[in-house]
Amino acid sequence: AQSVSQHNHHVILSEAASLELGCNYSYGGTVNLFWYVQYPGQHLQLLLKYFSGDPLVKGIKGFEAEFIKSKFSFNLRKPSVQWSDTAEYFCAVRERMNTGFQKLVFGTGTRLLVSP
Amino acid sequence: DTGVSQDPRHKITKRGQNVTFRCDPISEHNRLYWYRQTLGQGPEFLTYFQNEAQLEKSRLLSDRFSAERPKGSFSTLEIQRTEQGDSAMYLCASSSQGGKAGANVLTFGAGSRLTVL
Repeated sequence: AQSVSQHNHHVILSEAASLELGCNYSYGGTVNLFWYVQYPGQHLQLLLKYFSGDPLVKGIKGFEAEFIKSKFSFNLRKPSVQWSDTAEYFCAVRERMNTGFQKLVFGTGTRLLVSP
Repeated sequence: DTGVSQDPRHKITKRGQNVTFRCDPISEHNRLYWYRQTLGQGPEFLTYFQNEAQLEKSRLLSDRFSAERPKGSFSTLEIQRTEQGDSAMYLCASSSQGGKAGANVLTFGAGSRLTVL
């Protein structure tokens, strides 16, 4: 079964610092990849997704992610974080089951704290 | 609000009691999902509906759990004889089927937090 690893459980940055959050999934083939964000007290929201095409994907709020197939990675980046980026970030991969159903498998999340 | 709605937002119950959560998906979405999220973990898949048909269930969904989507619109998740290990956030999500912009992308509700004492 597919699994997703997010190596950084907690990240603390100052405003304007650059951000990179790691995400690795366990095996290849055709994958759909996602980053979701959960701001304090709010629901999970989609930041960006990769289905096919350009491996560098741009999302909302200045976030981008790069799909590197050879490394089974889909790292999230932002050149300059803001205090409002304080949130928990979840990487997810869509896994096709034997039944044909495609299940979204999440990593354990990375808590980002941006200090003003 | 045209997002995914969940009710109640919080539920505190005693061990052994039954609880029921409701999810109202985005109206034009025919696919509905239940996930569970515990502290320090990402959401874990529980079950999936396409219209009114429950097409997929996780091994996490013990026989104390039952989910329905009777008319293909709202869904309920019932937990019978709750245990302390059931304490978690229960998330509902919905999506449309392929072919449309945004298809196959899950939109999540705010969740129903269950605390079993």
